[in-house]
Amino acid sequence: DIQLTQSPSFLSASVGERVTITCRASQGISSYLAWYQQKPGKAPKLLIYAASTLQRGVPSRFSGSGSGTEFTLTISSLQPEDFATYHCQQLNSYPRTFGGGTKVEIK
Amino acid sequence: QVQLVQSGAEVKKPGASVKVSCKASGYTFSDYYMHWVRQAPGQGLEWMGRINPVSGGTNYVQKFQGRVTMTRDTSISTAFMELSSLRSDDTAVYYCSRENLEFDTFDIWGQGTMVTVSS
Repeated sequence: DIQLTQSPSFLSASVGERVTITCRASQGISSYLAWYQQKPGKAPKLLIYAASTLQRGVPSRFSGSGSGTEFTLTISSLQPEDFATYHCQQLNSYPRTFGGGTKVEIK
Repeated sequence: QVQLVQSGAEVKKPGASVKVSCKASGYTFSDYYMHWVRQAPGQGLEWMGRINPVSGGTNYVQKFQGRVTMTRDTSISTAFMELSSLRSDDTAVYYCSRENLEFDTFDIWGQGTMVTVSS
């Protein structure tokens, strides 16, 4: 099974800050990586797929990059509505594993 | 609009079974695989398995083999996930999610079903 390791697991940031979250895969997954945002009590929401393609309707301050085993999600200027937990997921093979999540809180 | 609507919260005793439904609307049900993902309280997302709505073929994560059964009824555009021999650590929110095969992603999610296992 492919393991995904997200870092950090928690980060505290201020509105307007640039934030970067990393997801590392235990083996190469090409660009078969997605990022989701989840708010308390809600289902995950797709932000980015194919490592760097922004889902329709997602603000352009979100961006994704990487391929192979190392990926990043960047929020260029953190907004109040961005405080949430972010999950990466690989879709290269079964089982479709997720990272452990990164909780972004207000500083 | 495209949506997945899941059945309501359940409370079960250890050893019992639970069956959660996921009704699709706004798209052709048979065009997309359906996956099930769970999230224990305060924990991350855990993929459980998926069903091909055309063939009924399934893939389950090894951890749940023998305890989980995923089925579908195409006549009512609904997928089902049944988990048996419930334990307290099965307490979680269970989500269904559609896989967009063109873009390799889970693009639509149900609202989640809370399953509580308690004696």
